[in-house]
Amino acid sequence: NAGVTQTPKFQVLKTGQSMTLQCAQDMNHNSMYWYRQDPGMGLRLIYYSASEGTTDKGEVPNGYNVSRLNKREFSLRLESAAPSQTSVYFCASSESAGGQETQYFGPGTRLLVL
Amino acid sequence: AQSVTQPDIHITVSEGASLELRCNYSYGATPYLFWYVQSPGQGLQLLLKYFSGDTLVQGIKGFEAEFKRSQSSFNLRKPSVHWSDAAEYFCAAFSGTYKYIFGTGTRLKVLA
Repeated sequence: NAGVTQTPKFQVLKTGQSMTLQCAQDMNHNSMYWYRQDPGMGLRLIYYSASEGTTDKGEVPNGYNVSRLNKREFSLRLESAAPSQTSVYFCASSESAGGQETQYFGPGTRLLVL
Repeated sequence: AQSVTQPDIHITVSEGASLELRCNYSYGATPYLFWYVQSPGQGLQLLLKYFSGDTLVQGIKGFEAEFKRSQSSFNLRKPSVHWSDAAEYFCAAFSGTYKYIFGTGTRLKVLA
């Protein structure tokens, strides 16, 4: 039982390049989330998927797109990377999107945009 | 606006000493409250959570937290800190719209 996995672990991009961050969970959870973590700012929600087939914007969605490929997988795409997107990205999942559910986090992807 | 505030960016304690990490929230009603821990290079792990009922909540690794409605606080405590507790700690609240709001974190350093 791997929990939440993310690939890649590290990535360096040049401004304007695109990439997709992959996330998968094996806990049969309905809800999945993408966060970014920046120094002094905690975690901020980029997008979430309350259930398979649905996605919605979080606090900081600009410059990102997401795809809920199936119940297990939730990808985050940067179409044209900018230095402001240098961050650590975390994927999380929970059984449902209700507030009582525990979120389980992946190990993160460290992205540097030059 | 809804917010979660962790006033201490860094805290240093000696091993064996007691610990209290502060968290204040700003909501219209009592939110669901959480404490997470993040070890270096790792994702976040849930320590404990509060929804309702008993205001003293027990968590993993010997941590507890007390909800105080009058102070809008949800402080994390541990009676005796171990060197392995060195990490960053995040307080979070569920805002009621499928969204969690995280504080900015408190980094704990433990002196041997």
